[in-house]
Amino acid sequence: GAVVSQHPSWVICKSGTSVKIECRSLDFQATTMFWYRQFPKQSLMLMATSNEGSKATYEQGVEKDKFLINHASLTLSTLTVTSAHPEDSSFYICSTTGGIYGYTFGSGTRLTVV
Amino acid sequence: QKEVEQNSGPLSVPEGAIASLNCTYSDRGSQSFFWYRQYSGKSPELIMFIYSNGDKEDGRFTAQLNKASQYVSLLIRDSQPSDSATYLCAVNTGFQKLVFGTGTRLLVSP
Repeated sequence: GAVVSQHPSWVICKSGTSVKIECRSLDFQATTMFWYRQFPKQSLMLMATSNEGSKATYEQGVEKDKFLINHASLTLSTLTVTSAHPEDSSFYICSTTGGIYGYTFGSGTRLTVV
Repeated sequence: QKEVEQNSGPLSVPEGAIASLNCTYSDRGSQSFFWYRQYSGKSPELIMFIYSNGDKEDGRFTAQLNKASQYVSLLIRDSQPSDSATYLCAVNTGFQKLVFGTGTRLLVSP
């Protein structure tokens, strides 16, 4: 079945630094990638949608200059949290529309900004 | 009004009982509906999806959809302690986007 490999699974960084999260589709081509954020005890909130080779579409209220998304190939999409602050600490999950059940999720990245 | 609403719970049921999880959605144009299970600190895993009105059964799980009432539910028969998790209802509102509810926490006691 379809697999999306997400790395790192967890990361701790200092306030003001940038962190890159990668999602790779291992056995299929991910034309579209969705990036979600989940705060404790809350649901997944869609941050942005990216299509291979084009600019990402961000949801209302999400700063595109802070959360940089690159989807340069059909197997790799990255999310870079720039100048991270403690309020960016969250669980970030990627998802793509590949796979027989329509949506395949990465394993998630726990970001802690100190 | 939130697009997808769920009771946050926790819903507590004894082992072997039926757990009933409910979800309502606001967009009448929604076409597909998903139930995910999420353990703490983990990514959601798909349990079932449903597109048509009525019931859909898969093992111990039954999804029910009523588009007229904008309501979708998940029944878990013979609940097991390992079923204890947060259950997320998700709705495809168009353009392949999934909108998630806040989730219902299920606790199955031995």
